[in-house]
Amino acid sequence: SQQGEEDPQALSIQEGENATMNCSYKTSINNLQWYRQNSGRGLVHLILIRSNEREKHSGRLRVTLDTSKKSSSLLITASRAADTASYFCATPPRGNTPLVFGKGTRLSVIA
Amino acid sequence: DAGVIQSPRHEVTEMGQEVTLRCKPISGHNSLFWYRQTMMRGLELLIYFNNNVPIDDSGMPEDRFSAKMPNASFSTLKIQPSEPRDSAVYFCASSLMGNEQYFGPGTRLTVT
Repeated sequence: SQQGEEDPQALSIQEGENATMNCSYKTSINNLQWYRQNSGRGLVHLILIRSNEREKHSGRLRVTLDTSKKSSSLLITASRAADTASYFCATPPRGNTPLVFGKGTRLSVIA
Repeated sequence: DAGVIQSPRHEVTEMGQEVTLRCKPISGHNSLFWYRQTMMRGLELLIYFNNNVPIDDSGMPEDRFSAKMPNASFSTLKIQPSEPRDSAVYFCASSLMGNEQYFGPGTRLTVT
C-alpha cells in the first residue's frame, strides 16, 4: 500500500538550529501534506504541497517536493522549544481516497 | 468553529464491556475519519465516511468494531466486547472534499 516514510525517526537539536525531516512515498500523488502532533494531542495540519509544486513556504516552514525521487522534506528554521513534537507526512492516493500517514519523526528542540 | 469534538476524552473500562466513542465533525465537512494510534502500530485508519456513507472499513480490526454516521454532524465508534489490546488513542478527523484533515483531541481508551 502507498505510504509515506519519515526519516529520521528521531531528531534532537538545540534551539535556534534548523531541523530537516524527510519523507519518501511509493506511488504517484496529487499532493503531500505535513502534520504536527504535540504529545497527547491530535494532529495539526501544517502545509500542503501539490504535485506540480516544487517548494512551498509557511512562516518558518519550508517544504520541498521531488516527484521524480518520490520524496519531500520539511525544514523548520530557527527552531524553538515549542517546535518539539512529532511530524508526519501524509499522501492521498489519486482520487477521493484518504490520507496515508507515515510513522513520524520525533523532534526534540532543547532550550 | 469549535473544531472536531470528541467524547469522552478518557475512558477506562473492563474487558468485555461495550465502549462507545463519539465525534462531531466540523460543520460543512463532508468526510469523516476514525483513526487509532499506538506506539507499536502508529496511526491507523479504521474507517472513513463520505457524505455520511461508509466508504472503506477495511481498517476495522475485527467484527467487534463498528462505526456509524447517522447524520452529517455525528459519528460513533463502538467496540463490543472490548479487549485489553484495544487500548489506544482514538482520533476522529474531518475534511472537506479530500483536502487537509482536522483532527479532534482524541479519546484515550484503557481496557483493563
